[in-house]
Amino acid sequence: SAVISQKPSRDICQRGTSLTIQCQVDSQVTMMFWYRQQPGQSLTLIATANQGSEATYESGFVIDKFPISRPNLTFSTLTVSNLSPEDSSIYLCSVETGRDSYEQYFGPGTRLTVT
Amino acid sequence: AQKITQTQPGMFVQEKEAVTLDCTYDTSDQSYGLFWYKQPSSGEMIFLIYQGSYDEQNATEGRYSLNFQKARKSANLVISASQLGDSAMYFCAMREWLSGTYKYIFGTGTRLKVLA
Repeated sequence: SAVISQKPSRDICQRGTSLTIQCQVDSQVTMMFWYRQQPGQSLTLIATANQGSEATYESGFVIDKFPISRPNLTFSTLTVSNLSPEDSSIYLCSVETGRDSYEQYFGPGTRLTVT
Repeated sequence: AQKITQTQPGMFVQEKEAVTLDCTYDTSDQSYGLFWYKQPSSGEMIFLIYQGSYDEQNATEGRYSLNFQKARKSANLVISASQLGDSAMYFCAMREWLSGTYKYIFGTGTRLKVLA
């Protein structure tokens, strides 16, 4: 398994500002993902964070709005830029360890409220 | 078109009874994975069980089993001997290889309420 921490756990931000969310894993992992879960909804994949190269974004998500960094195999950040109330969601980091199974482990999430 | 379909937005089950949560999927890949996750009211996503498309036997993990019917493209979760702590949202998900990388697609979820 993998232990994942996210910072911050929650934040309230003003419209037009940005929030950077950190995801730290306790071991090296092959795959890291960022998801958004809007209130009462399912999870939507934003992007796959690739180590040493640009993230791979899903349809409807762009780098200018959701820049992602992954400097090494245990850490990634997601920035949500130019915030609007529609960005109010839970943002989750997840990892796939790549060892023996395809289990995907999730961080505790970051609850963002935009006012 | 939905790739993962969970047709039961909400389910009730009596404590100690078994319950089946439905999931159907759509893919043209031969190699894919199916998952179930539990999300309690606290918001964390908890991995429950995994079934690979080439696995011939249904996956089991404790009280959880996955009823995998490949020809019907269904991957139903069976929870035996339900407990009050099983009350949560349950998501079915599929992992497939698309555009040079793995993608995970989640269903809309089923909210399970276990009654005492």
